[in-house]
Amino acid sequence: DSGVTQTPKHLITATGQRVTLRCSPRSGDLSVYWYQQSLDQGLQFLIQYYNGEERAKGNILERFSAQQFPDLHSELNLSSLELGDSALYFCASSARDFIYNEQFFGPGTRLTVL
Amino acid sequence: EDKVVQSPLSLVVHEGDTVTLNCSYEVTNFRSLLWYKQEKKAPTFLFMLTSSGIEKKSGRLSSILDKKELFSILNITATQTGDSAVYLCAVEANNDMRFGAGTRLTVKP
Repeated sequence: DSGVTQTPKHLITATGQRVTLRCSPRSGDLSVYWYQQSLDQGLQFLIQYYNGEERAKGNILERFSAQQFPDLHSELNLSSLELGDSALYFCASSARDFIYNEQFFGPGTRLTVL
Repeated sequence: EDKVVQSPLSLVVHEGDTVTLNCSYEVTNFRSLLWYKQEKKAPTFLFMLTSSGIEKKSGRLSSILDKKELFSILNITATQTGDSAVYLCAVEANNDMRFGAGTRLTVKP
């Protein structure tokens, strides 16, 4: 158990809908990262927040957005969902900022878009 | 475009064998290279490498980085069935992190 929690574990929804995935980092960690893992694209970095501020942005679609709240939990919002958005979404946390640090992954949220 | 290439994509060995997994990269503004092990669920961190030629070791696993030739290797000695997993290499550069496709290692008893 990494100490990172994600809810829900599974989510099934329809195309065009909007969902919110939630992540609570390990106690004391200030950075939160979001990743998408699909069979055809592998693991892809989406976005990182450090102490409430966006710090790095990877391959994140405009339909997706995220934020980190004062209590350091983070939410990833996915809107206008398409079939291709079906994937495993991981959240990870680390104590420091993006550079030179070990990240601890949560168990993931499996999103299925029908 | 930045890219990270792992080889082989798949490997089947028997318990006790030694394996070497490769990760090559082409990125600008390289910062670090990380190795992860992914079994059924989330990746777990193995090593982070930032300097060339310095071997990192943890039990039967070790890894080294060559920043001149732009590659890293992950060695696993005396493999066990519990080493069966997908091993992911990731490179941190330009405030982004790129993952390779992974090497699927299967260790047979």
